[in-house]
Amino acid sequence: GAGVSQTPSNKVTEKGKYVELRCDPISGHTALYWYRQSLGQGPEFLIYFQGTGAADDSGLPNDRFFAVRPEGSVSTLKIQRTERGDSAVYLCASSLIGTGNEQFFGPGTRLTVL
Amino acid sequence: RKEVEQDPGPFNVPEGATVAFNCTYSNSASQSFFWYRQDCRKEPKLLMSVYSSGNEDGRFTAQLNRASQYISLLIRDSKLSDSATYLCVVNTDKLIFGTGTRLQVFP
Repeated sequence: GAGVSQTPSNKVTEKGKYVELRCDPISGHTALYWYRQSLGQGPEFLIYFQGTGAADDSGLPNDRFFAVRPEGSVSTLKIQRTERGDSAVYLCASSLIGTGNEQFFGPGTRLTVL
Repeated sequence: RKEVEQDPGPFNVPEGATVAFNCTYSNSASQSFFWYRQDCRKEPKLLMSVYSSGNEDGRFTAQLNRASQYISLLIRDSKLSDSATYLCVVNTDKLIFGTGTRLQVFP
């Protein structure tokens, strides 16, 4: 079956611009997660959705970052007024129920802010 | 102090060698523990869960010591295909990843 998909695979933008990153989880998975991975680091938790609601958004670095999952399936991570420090790989993962279940990761979106 | 600490390596070992990775975590309320594998420029994939009783999957053995807040991964008879970064992961209501330990197996 299809795994987690993310689009775009690469995004280059200029400082100050707005970007949207999309995640399509595995069908039937109610839990969805966003992570950010910088070079030489492990993935860093950003936000966790259970269904349509954000169950834990404690990892979002500031109010420029926002994520939605309006129908409990596809999610969009939105970054306003991008900064060079936002450059990283943004990973999405999904799991069957909650955080105790295995998380399956998508291939990531590599964001470069010039 | 980082919540999950790992030696970043790299560990360069010949084929057939046995190699061990260690990891420590700071939150004693952590609920579950995992090792993930990440190939270069790819996404992380679950390698195995880690249990207090220790668990084995083929050439891989994982061990958890809750008292010392210490997790280990042992790889026996290393293969070239084992070359990757191994991420120690702790679940505290969300997954906390270590920085990863890079393994390079050479012929």
